[in-house]
Amino acid sequence: GENVEQHPSTLSVQEGDSAVIKCTYSDSASNYFPWYKQELGKRPQLIIDIRSNVGEKKDQRIAVTLNKTAKHFSLHITETQPEDSAVYFCAASIPNSGYALNFGKGTSLLVTP
Amino acid sequence: DAGVTQSPTHLIKTRGQHVTLRCSPISGHKSVSWYQQVLGQGPQFIFQYYEKEERGRGNFPDRFSARQFPNYSSELNVNALLLGDSALYLCASTEGVGPWGQETQYFGPGTRLLVL
Repeated sequence: GENVEQHPSTLSVQEGDSAVIKCTYSDSASNYFPWYKQELGKRPQLIIDIRSNVGEKKDQRIAVTLNKTAKHFSLHITETQPEDSAVYFCAASIPNSGYALNFGKGTSLLVTP
Repeated sequence: DAGVTQSPTHLIKTRGQHVTLRCSPISGHKSVSWYQQVLGQGPQFIFQYYEKEERGRGNFPDRFSARQFPNYSSELNVNALLLGDSALYLCASTEGVGPWGQETQYFGPGTRLLVL
């Protein structure tokens, strides 16, 4: 089956710095790549997504880039704030499975004041 | 504006028992997916339903089954529970009008299952 690898597993940055999380996927037929933020004890919340016909997407302090040739995509958070602290998951659509997603193992981001 | 709802919120069972988890999607959404999230891991895909038909199945044993009803709500059933089935079970709702694989999934709060 398809795998999604996510790195790093933990990331600690100071407030105001940038954070970058990287993911790779194995099935070239994947065409949708969302990122979710999950706070402790809460449901995953979509923060940004990108489709395979787009190379980059930005929403305020958050941006995602996609390299289809290399099969990797990245999340960039600029001007980090303590409330950005959470676990972030990348995901890739599973071909021939409707809207199903394969998730990475997550990155625990800690932003210290 | 009701989001995805799941019931129950918490459940404790013993090995060998069976469990039924329920999910109601966002109004107007036609697709439901089920995921298992073990502590410290990402959600793992179990089933995906669209218009009451199974569209995808993850790598889970036959003890896991699901169905979607005419009102688009869904049930996940797990038989012969094992200790390893202890996890957060998440339901995700998708509108289901766009191209396959390219629509946003909205997650419910989950059902936390503990098997003793």
